[in-house]
Amino acid sequence: GENVEQHPSTLSVQEGDSAVIKCTYSDSASNYFPWYKQELGKRPQLIIDIRSNVGEKKDQRIAVTLNKTAKHFSLHITETQPEDSAVYFCAAIGSNYKLTFGKGTLLTVNP
Amino acid sequence: GAGVSQTPSNKVTEKGKYVELRCDPISGHTALYWYRQSLGQGPEFLIYFQGTGAADDSGLPNDRFFAVRPEGSVSTLKIQRTERGDSAVYLCASSLSSGMGSGELFFGEGSRLTVL
Repeated sequence: GENVEQHPSTLSVQEGDSAVIKCTYSDSASNYFPWYKQELGKRPQLIIDIRSNVGEKKDQRIAVTLNKTAKHFSLHITETQPEDSAVYFCAAIGSNYKLTFGKGTLLTVNP
Repeated sequence: GAGVSQTPSNKVTEKGKYVELRCDPISGHTALYWYRQSLGQGPEFLIYFQGTGAADDSGLPNDRFFAVRPEGSVSTLKIQRTERGDSAVYLCASSLSSGMGSGELFFGEGSRLTVL
């Protein structure tokens, strides 16, 4: 089955700096890669996703890149704000139709 | 409803008891997923339904766990003879369809289960 590795587990940045979270996956048949943001005690919420037919997608301050050859994808947040502080999860849907999550990255944006 | 609804939001039970957790998906969503999330971890897949049938139950940890979705809408996750290790947040999600790259999963707020 699919295996998703996520790094780093914690990330602390100053307000206004950029943050990058990286993930790798194992199933070469995977073709959908969402990123979820989860605030403390809340549900995971989709912030951006990318499909395997594109290499990059951007939505305001958030961008995701995908390298299918290397089987890795990354989340980039620019001009970070304190409200970006949360746990971020990458995920991938493999050939078994299951959405497999990484272990998460706790992002702290210091004012 | 407007989103995925889960009840109860919190459940405290004693070791050995039986619990049921309910999920009401977004109307019209044919795919329904159950995940379990322990503190500091990512959601862990348990089971997913396409319509009324369990398309994949390979994530259920053992035979004490069972889930149903008799009419293709509401689903119930059932845990028998609960153990302390079952304590976690149980998340339900629904999607318009299943299959590779089919789209966003919408999550409920979760049911926090505490087994004493």
